[in-house]
Amino acid sequence: QSVLTQPPSVSAAPGQKVTLSCSGSTSNIGNNFVCWYQQLPGTAPKLLIYENNKRPSGIPDRFSGSKSGTSATLGITGLQTGDESDYYCGTWDSSLSAYVFGTGTKVTV
Amino acid sequence: QVQLVQSGAEVKKPGASVRVSCKSSGYTSTSLGISWVRQAPGQGPEWMGWISDYNGNIKYAQKFQGRVTLTTDTFTRTAYMELTSLRSDDTAVYFCTREFCDTTRCFGGDFWGRGTLVTVSS
Repeated sequence: QSVLTQPPSVSAAPGQKVTLSCSGSTSNIGNNFVCWYQQLPGTAPKLLIYENNKRPSGIPDRFSGSKSGTSATLGITGLQTGDESDYYCGTWDSSLSAYVFGTGTKVTV
Repeated sequence: QVQLVQSGAEVKKPGASVRVSCKSSGYTSTSLGISWVRQAPGQGPEWMGWISDYNGNIKYAQKFQGRVTLTTDTFTRTAYMELTSLRSDDTAVYFCTREFCDTTRCFGGDFWGRGTLVTVSS
């Protein structure tokens, strides 16, 4: 069982906006940076957001990240069919001394 | 461009060991390393550990301590992950990813290899 909890699924129509949540604790999200990853079927995770709210080069600004206390959020605006994917949050857990990933959210467009 | 090229799929019997390689190119850094992340079928990613590119520092996830060994060949820029005493629940895709870690924590992988499927079956 992961220490980071995400809703199993979210759906919205093309062009709409979705927000994905990631809930943790003070030993992980509360005191460490959060990343967000997109994983298409059969492929490696792709980094979308790092250090809570920064986008790597090439990631469109339709993707945004934020953190408040022990929770983090990924926002996706202007949903496209190509955004259908699994999304995982990730952060360091100081109690486990390990990088941990969330349970994952499947986005359906 | 940054590339992480992993070795091919493996099929192993329970109790055996497996070694997966990850050759990196396209970047130079004295502050990065390689993490190994596995993903069982239908499950989320699971971090196994990290090895520095430059000073040999290693972090292991407690779950795998004693059963996983991370090594690196700095001349060929190849990282290796060896997992011993394989069980059926070790069947997973094993990824390597470039990651920055300091003395106390890691910050998430940015570039990832394509993954290596390891199947453990009698």
